[in-house]
Amino acid sequence: DAMVIQNPRYQVTQFGKPVTLSCSQTLNHNVMYWYQQKSSQAPKLLFHYYDKDFNNEADTPDNFQSRRPNTSFCFLDIRSPGLGDAAMYLCATSRAGTSGRWLYNEQFFGPGTRLTVL
Amino acid sequence: SQQGEEDPQALSIQEGENATMNCSYKTSINNLQWYRQNSGRGLVHLILIRSNEREKHSGRLRVTLDTSKKSSSLLITASRAADTASYFCASVTGGFKTIFGAGTRLFVKA
Repeated sequence: DAMVIQNPRYQVTQFGKPVTLSCSQTLNHNVMYWYQQKSSQAPKLLFHYYDKDFNNEADTPDNFQSRRPNTSFCFLDIRSPGLGDAAMYLCATSRAGTSGRWLYNEQFFGPGTRLTVL
Repeated sequence: SQQGEEDPQALSIQEGENATMNCSYKTSINNLQWYRQNSGRGLVHLILIRSNEREKHSGRLRVTLDTSKKSSSLLITASRAADTASYFCASVTGGFKTIFGAGTRLFVKA
């Protein structure tokens, strides 16, 4: 089945120790997103890739970086995790394109990676 | 805060009753989407309504959109215990910007 996969599902890291979360997709979608969701809050968009074009949200801390080496994979790097970065990190994909006007379609989410910072 | 608003924050109903959730957003949108999230899991897409549409149906779901009021509503008819979850609206503007509402926690009692 076509899907969005996130690894690991649970990640524990130490304060200040870099960590990488991964996402892969078999949907062949051209857009990939990373969201941060803290407990009992709404998901918050960190950044997205449209093909190889990277777009950072204005309020995403510099501590968060992303890489998309190919269509299928996307990584979230947290360079120096703080206690406030403990959250669920959600990867999503969608297909977008233009047909006279931009068409943004539904997003397909992975199960998320729950990050704990000690 | 950039977060959209949803009400109610929480809703408890009996199985078989209808559940209505409301969402408001702040800027002009390309489309508005509704998602369901079971506790501690990823989001599942329910329905998408584009800015030039006013109403959309999918099974037991009915979504309306009023762009003049910058608001949307999700109606779940004949609710089931399995509908217990958090429901989020997400407004999508140009440039893929996606802003989620605060969510409504729905509890359906069997």
